[in-house]
Amino acid sequence: EVQLVESGGGLVQPGGALRLSCVASGFTFSNSWMHWVRQAPGKGLVWVSRVNSDGSSTNYADSVKGRLTISRDNAKNTLYLQMNSLRDEDTAVYYCVREGRESGPGPLDYWGQGTLVTVSS
Amino acid sequence: EVVMTQSPATVSVSPGERASLSCRASQSVSSNLAWFQQKPGQAPRLLIYGASTRATGIPARFSGSGSGTEFTLTISSLQSEDFAVYSCHQYNNWPRTFGQGTKVEIK
Repeated sequence: EVQLVESGGGLVQPGGALRLSCVASGFTFSNSWMHWVRQAPGKGLVWVSRVNSDGSSTNYADSVKGRLTISRDNAKNTLYLQMNSLRDEDTAVYYCVREGRESGPGPLDYWGQGTLVTVSS
Repeated sequence: EVVMTQSPATVSVSPGERASLSCRASQSVSSNLAWFQQKPGQAPRLLIYGASTRATGIPARFSGSGSGTEFTLTISSLQSEDFAVYSCHQYNNWPRTFGQGTKVEIK
């Protein structure tokens, strides 16, 4: 069974930092592209970032570029999101998501339960 | 970026009736389009990918159609567990983008 378990969320002041983690199991993590998707309270889903299978390539939404950094440790089956210079508008539930990629772009097929990040003074 | 526009924002349907949800892309996304279902307090669940392929375990009453810029999710006979928010998502271009969601509520 595929499982993605996020942790690291919490309350942080504007300008602060936080690191989210996501431990994966039930599939070959080192072969999978991974994403972070967020959802502000009462709002829709917003794609944040993606990392390829070996961590050599990343993409970011413009709204987080230069402040959030995605990375992975395949030896630990763990995905990370380092969040710096946090703003009020970063308040959201952050989901760790697997891309079901085969020979080309794939859908986001497995999602974690999410971890809540609240940016407030 | 590719803007995904869903309509309507809310649709009221009686159990057993059919619901059709629309998703339009601001430019072609080929067939790299997925639909998700989300219930309050839960993570999204993948329903449809490749515009028309049901994900594992998804009932046959859910179907997807379209390609390019126009897509439709149809729920043929709504069950009580289908009342939720449905979002479309394009995975053809960077950045990946989602529609704002359509809420299917009980009439």
